[in-house]
Amino acid sequence: RKEVEQDPGPFNVPEGATVAFNCTYSNSASQSFFWYRQDCRKEPKLLMSVYSSGNEDGRFTAQLNRASQYISLLIRDSKLSDSATYLCVVTRGGADGLTFGKGTHLIIQP
Amino acid sequence: GAVVSQHPSRVICKSGTSVKIECRSLDFQATTMFWYRQFPKKSLMLMATSNEGSKATYEQGVEKDKFLINHASLTLSTLTVTSAHPEDSSFYICSARLAGGFQETQYFGPGTRLLVL
Repeated sequence: RKEVEQDPGPFNVPEGATVAFNCTYSNSASQSFFWYRQDCRKEPKLLMSVYSSGNEDGRFTAQLNRASQYISLLIRDSKLSDSATYLCVVTRGGADGLTFGKGTHLIIQP
Repeated sequence: GAVVSQHPSRVICKSGTSVKIECRSLDFQATTMFWYRQFPKKSLMLMATSNEGSKATYEQGVEKDKFLINHASLTLSTLTVTSAHPEDSSFYICSARLAGGFQETQYFGPGTRLLVL
């Protein structure tokens, strides 16, 4: 079983739509959780951290369910510029490296 | 935000040569840097953790004698791919850890594309 699993997509959605991504992780010792976005042939960039209480940053909402080892990302009012690959990332924290999912490819269509 | 640079951004080399990639944290000190590798259409995979002043910690399956890591200062880590072969062609990305706060964040360099002919 992969450590971090995501639906690779692609998700093709019209501009303005709401889209949701899910992710599951296998290591119950994971302590920190993130969503990164990666544009084609670029480095990943931090989109947002994910907290147990859920958190929102503008059009983006992230949720964490530790019991189910499940993370979600919701994008509202999607823009063309949201087209990218969204990476679910976990870490045990401290000095540990990040474990990446394979990513979910999102295409926003005009 | 914190800025991490990598050099070179792209390198093409002949099989058997060694390639050095530099990773620098430009506006902060990084006691820990990480090296990742990403093959086409695959996820980023952690190769090793680089700690300033000590030996790097390699992930399972990564050959430490082939991928030499040196973390000489709080702002610089280098990865040397020794005797590179075509199967080493990949996108190599470093990150630096910004410590403190509730959740520690890693900032990524722009990556180095290596093509071994």
